[in-house]
Amino acid sequence: DAGVTQSPTHLIKTRGQQVTLRCSPKSGHDTVSWYQQALGQGPQFIFQYYEEEERQRGNFPDRFSGHQFPNYSSELNVNALLLGDSALYLCASSRLRSPNRNEQFFGPGTRLTVL
Amino acid sequence: DAKTTQPTSMDCAEGRAANLPCNHSTISGNEYVYWYRQIHSQGPQYIIHGLKNNETNEMASLIITEDRKSSTLILPHATLRDTAVYYCIFYTGTASKLTFGTGTRLQVTL
Repeated sequence: DAGVTQSPTHLIKTRGQQVTLRCSPKSGHDTVSWYQQALGQGPQFIFQYYEEEERQRGNFPDRFSGHQFPNYSSELNVNALLLGDSALYLCASSRLRSPNRNEQFFGPGTRLTVL
Repeated sequence: DAKTTQPTSMDCAEGRAANLPCNHSTISGNEYVYWYRQIHSQGPQYIIHGLKNNETNEMASLIITEDRKSSTLILPHATLRDTAVYYCIFYTGTASKLTFGTGTRLQVTL
């Protein structure tokens, strides 16, 4: 059973560019959350998708947007990249109707470097 | 957002029990305590969670004080592979986002 997968593993972009990161949830999971982790910090919640809609959002600007597809996979888009967007981007999946819905399974992350 | 306080770092000898404390004095009655860990260059991994009672699973034990204002994660026989950053998190059953602090960096040594 495949766990959470993310692509690409690493990415280098320049300021002002746009980037799309991808995530496939663990089999049987219907909810995808995205987190940003700067070096030396804990992950920060960006947003969560369920039934193809944004269910919750953290304190991130509108440059950060997302999408969830009918197969539950998800994309994170970041426009007008800033140097400060350099971070590890983590995707986590869970099952909303599960009694233990807060047990989230994380992927290995995408390391984004903005030059 | 819910707030937890953890020591920045701890050391533990291999084979010994690692006891990681967490203060969550503002926790309310319906908020669960969750523990995750993050091994270097990997995504966080769920360890255990609890509400009031002490909990144990194959990875660890969780001891929650009677007033629920603090808890301790216990790794009974730490190994080198347990070296990681450990995060204590709490939130209500209606929320689904995880609010991470900076965690405790546990170093297990020979």
